[in-house]
This record gives sequence, C-alpha cells and structure tokens, in this order.
Amino acid sequence: GNSVTQMEGPVTLSEEAFLTINCTYTATGYPSLFWYVQYPGEGLQLLLKATKADDKGSNKGFEATYRKETTSFHLEKGSVQVSDSAVYFCALTLNTNAGKSTFGDGTTLTVKP
Amino acid sequence: SQTIHQWPATLVQPVGSPLSLECTVEGTSNPNLYWYRQAAGRGLQLLFYSVGIGQISSEVPQNLSASRPQDRQFILSSKKLLLSDSGFYLCAWSVKQGVGTDTQYFGPGTRLTVL
Repeated sequence: GNSVTQMEGPVTLSEEAFLTINCTYTATGYPSLFWYVQYPGEGLQLLLKATKADDKGSNKGFEATYRKETTSFHLEKGSVQVSDSAVYFCALTLNTNAGKSTFGDGTTLTVKP
Repeated sequence: SQTIHQWPATLVQPVGSPLSLECTVEGTSNPNLYWYRQAAGRGLQLLFYSVGIGQISSEVPQNLSASRPQDRQFILSSKKLLLSDSGFYLCAWSVKQGVGTDTQYFGPGTRLTVL
C-alpha cells in the first residue's frame, strides 16, 4: 500500500534558523507529492507540490525536491520566522485513486523569537 | 474562485446524541469530496470519500456515516456519538478531471467534543 513517513516532532527552532523536515514515501505507482501546513485551529493549506522526479516545489521561502531515487520529499527553509509556527504534513496522491491522498502524521514546528 | 464551508465550527455533544456536520463547496462542479478526522496531536484519517451524488466510500468501519445529497454538499452523521468520536473533522474537495486533480483543498474544520 501507500504510506508517508515524516520526521517526528515537535521541532523547536530560533528565528532565522535553518529548517529541515524529512519525508519519505512508499507508493504503488508514480505519485504527486505535497506539503500542507496547518495553523492553529484551522484546516490544512497547500504549501507546495511536485508532480514528477527532480521537480522542486517552492512557496513562501519553503522548498522541497522530488527525489525518486531516495523516495523522499524533504521540506527546507533557510530562515524561519515566528509566523512559520504550525503543523506540517507531507502527503502523496496517485491520480488513479479517486484523488485520495495519503498523509504523514504531521510535524509540529515552533519558532521562538 | 472556489470556497469550502463547514459548520458548525465548534460542537460539544453528550455521549449517545446524534451528529450532523455539513460541508459545502462553491465555485466548482462535480468535485471529489472527502471527510477526515484528526485526533489531538495526530495525523489525518480519511473517513469517507465521494466521487458523485449518492456515491459514498467508507475507508474505516466506525460509528459514522456520510451522505452526498447534492453535488456540492457532503454530510457526516452519527446516530449515537461515542467518546472516541471527539476530534477535529475536516472536509476537503478535489477536481475530478483536468489540471490539479491531485491537490486537495480543505475547509476550516469542525472541533467536536463528546462528553
């Protein structure tokens, strides 16, 4: 079956620190990969995506590269801000599967000033 | 543009009472629709999905049911709530055909507490 494994949290960083949240996946086909972000008390929002190998998704200073050889999609940001504090979810979707997505368990990031 | 609504935002219900959560999508037609539950500090669990009116697929056997009476309306129900039904319920939609079929768009969620 399909699965997503992401780095366990919580992660606590100081403002302007470098962020990496690891994500690896297993899939029976060729998935699209996503990072979603959830701010406190809200639903999930799409942060970035990549649909094929070696694609780099980027948004708001975050980026992740689709690595087929290592089945990974690690999230990075060079300098985090307090406003980046949230829960981050890695996910995959196989288009043959009614658009259903498989999500990781989420990683809570807290950025301190 | 497309928007997705969920209500109520917060709900406190006694054990054994019924439940009805509603989700509606605007600005698109014939979407795929999804219900997820997020327990405290946990990831997302897909409960139901629907590819069309009256078409419901259940991912996890449980105390809940779902219905899709209209194209852009998705309802989550229970006849008798359990303590374990507490959680954050999220509705989502995705495009069925064309560009972006792989991306899900989430509503603001309903926080359910069963006492």
